[in-house]
Amino acid sequence: AQSVTQPDIHITVSEGASLELRCNYSYGATPYLFWYVQSPGQGLQLLLKYFSGDTLVQGIKGFEAEFKRSQSSFNLRKPSVHWSDAAEYFCAAPQGNAGNMLTFGGGTRLMVKP
Amino acid sequence: KAGVTQTPRYLIKTRGQQVTLSCSPISGHRSVSWYQQTPGQGLQFLFEYFSETQRNKGNFPGRFSGRQFSNSRSEMNVSTLELGDSALYLCASSLGWLTEAFFGQGTRLTVV
Repeated sequence: AQSVTQPDIHITVSEGASLELRCNYSYGATPYLFWYVQSPGQGLQLLLKYFSGDTLVQGIKGFEAEFKRSQSSFNLRKPSVHWSDAAEYFCAAPQGNAGNMLTFGGGTRLMVKP
Repeated sequence: KAGVTQTPRYLIKTRGQQVTLSCSPISGHRSVSWYQQTPGQGLQFLFEYFSETQRNKGNFPGRFSGRQFSNSRSEMNVSTLELGDSALYLCASSLGWLTEAFFGQGTRLTVV
């Protein structure tokens, strides 16, 4: 079964600083990968997705992610963080051939210092 | 285009009771998935329905069940509630196979 790991539980960055959130996956074939964001008490909002093709994908709110097969990683990046980016971020992937059954990483909570 | 709508947003139930949660997917989406989110276990897949058929099921006891109607709306039911069932229950809709999932705001269930 495919697994998704987010090594960092909490990350604190200063407003205006760059951000990188880590995601590692385990899967033999080319995976489908997603990044979601969740504000407190809310549902999940899709930031970006990787299905195939270009390994650098652009998403909403100025986020991007790079798929690196050699490192089994799909890290999320943003060049300049805004206070409104404070939230919890989840990396996710479909579970093998089980269609829309997503496996999520444990999440990374981002705090932004003024 | 309306998003995924979950009702109710908040529920408080007593141990031993049962509860039904509702999810209306995005118009045209035929796949509806349910997830349980808790601080200890994170986001866990419950089940997925596609065209009124359960297509996938997660590792939850039989007290958790669901169904999907012909208009793609879905309900999930939890019988004989336990304290550990307290969680945020999220519904997601997808257009088809391996397409991105759009989530509702969730139903916060508290079991006392």
